[in-house]
Amino acid sequence: GESVGLHLPTLSVQEGDNSIINCAYSNSASDYFIWYKQESGKGPQFIIDIRSNMDKRQGQRVTVLLNKTVKHLSLQIAATQPGDSAVYFCADHKRTGFQKLVFGTGTRLLVSP
Amino acid sequence: GAGVSQSPRYKVAKRGQDVALRCDPISGHVSLFWYQQALGQGPEFLTYFQNEAQLDKSGLPSDRFFAERPEGSVSTLKIQRTQQEDSAVYLCASSSQGYGELFFGEGSRLTVL
Repeated sequence: GESVGLHLPTLSVQEGDNSIINCAYSNSASDYFIWYKQESGKGPQFIIDIRSNMDKRQGQRVTVLLNKTVKHLSLQIAATQPGDSAVYFCADHKRTGFQKLVFGTGTRLLVSP
Repeated sequence: GAGVSQSPRYKVAKRGQDVALRCDPISGHVSLFWYQQALGQGPEFLTYFQNEAQLDKSGLPSDRFFAERPEGSVSTLKIQRTQQEDSAVYLCASSSQGYGELFFGEGSRLTVL
């Protein structure tokens, strides 16, 4: 991932809105993608993953979309809740052989009640 | 315990001191990772173990950083002669495989004065 220093992109939404968080990855060989959520003072927590042979995967209130053509991932959160407030990271790697999981810069999601 | 445990949670060191950070992975997880997370940035890979073998240490920033996992379970990250730029949160993660979902600990926050 690329570093943007201390100024994380921030998305502010109202409770109940849908949120879309975007991420670009750089390694065209990556075939596995994960979204992590990190709350203040805690380690990253797995949200959802997707393999490169898919373009969409749904979980509970979350959907991940993958566009390999432009190397873009998005995370959609339905009916955003205050508890969703956190920093969200995308990460990618290649599953065959060991390749380190590379994290993106992160997006801070702020949910107002 | 059920999750990845890291200690100490907070460490303040004077510049030039040596520090040791401990990670207890999830029982039975063969893969263990160390990441460094500077303030406002995504986690950056440091090193990877599969059981007791250190398979990738390409992310260690200098020869002052050393990691070990002698019995394939607990791991220690040691930083010698700490410098101010070493200040960061050090995250440990484990996985049952070498890829896929990583389970992170809450991190050890190191502050070097």
